[in-house]
Amino acid sequence: QQQVKQSPQSLIVQKGGISIINCAYENTAFDYFPWYQQFPGKGPALLIAIRPDVSEKKEGRFTISFNKSAKQFSLHIMDSQPGDSATYFCAPKGRDDKIIFGKGTRLHILP
Amino acid sequence: EAGVAQSPRYKIIEKRQSVAFWCNPISGHATLYWYQQILGQGPKLLIQFQNNGVVDDSQLPKDRFSAERLKGVDSTLKIQPAKLEDSAVYLCASSLSRPSNTEAFFGQGTRLTVV
Repeated sequence: QQQVKQSPQSLIVQKGGISIINCAYENTAFDYFPWYQQFPGKGPALLIAIRPDVSEKKEGRFTISFNKSAKQFSLHIMDSQPGDSATYFCAPKGRDDKIIFGKGTRLHILP
Repeated sequence: EAGVAQSPRYKIIEKRQSVAFWCNPISGHATLYWYQQILGQGPKLLIQFQNNGVVDDSQLPKDRFSAERLKGVDSTLKIQPAKLEDSAVYLCASSLSRPSNTEAFFGQGTRLTVV
């Protein structure tokens, strides 16, 4: 049962460009909407997260946009850098603390 | 603040052998998770603990996998006997349970290769 759908599966962006990754979910009991970044050989690490009472959150070059009615949220990376090359996961969390991961987006930033 | 500690980092075993992984979560984190991450895929939840009680183990292959969290702190995940398809990275994570809308912290994982 796929509760979280993430797209695209892979993404290639020129340095300085904008990277956009999308996530759609089904479970309305989620109350925390994070994006995790994972480098090879490492565990996922929180990049940025949003709670459902706001529609957008920006931290430096990273922005989450949240659409509660559409049950979607997205990650925007402005001025993408080669160091941003990694795999990104949306992983919404519910009030029961259950975390469901998307399948991941492999992002490659061309130098 | 110390992170989530996992050991070993790497393990190679033959099929039908047994293996155990250990996790020490962040102090004070009541919720502990074990995930299986197959190469190129997203992490899949195996089991979730709240203190020393199991909250969700619906995707744990109970005929070969077992996990425990003694005294609500450290946790071990065991596979017996291992199959080739168990080759994956096993991630442990922990989080506060209250409030629920807080991040989970992940360890570096244990990379298991079954040959």
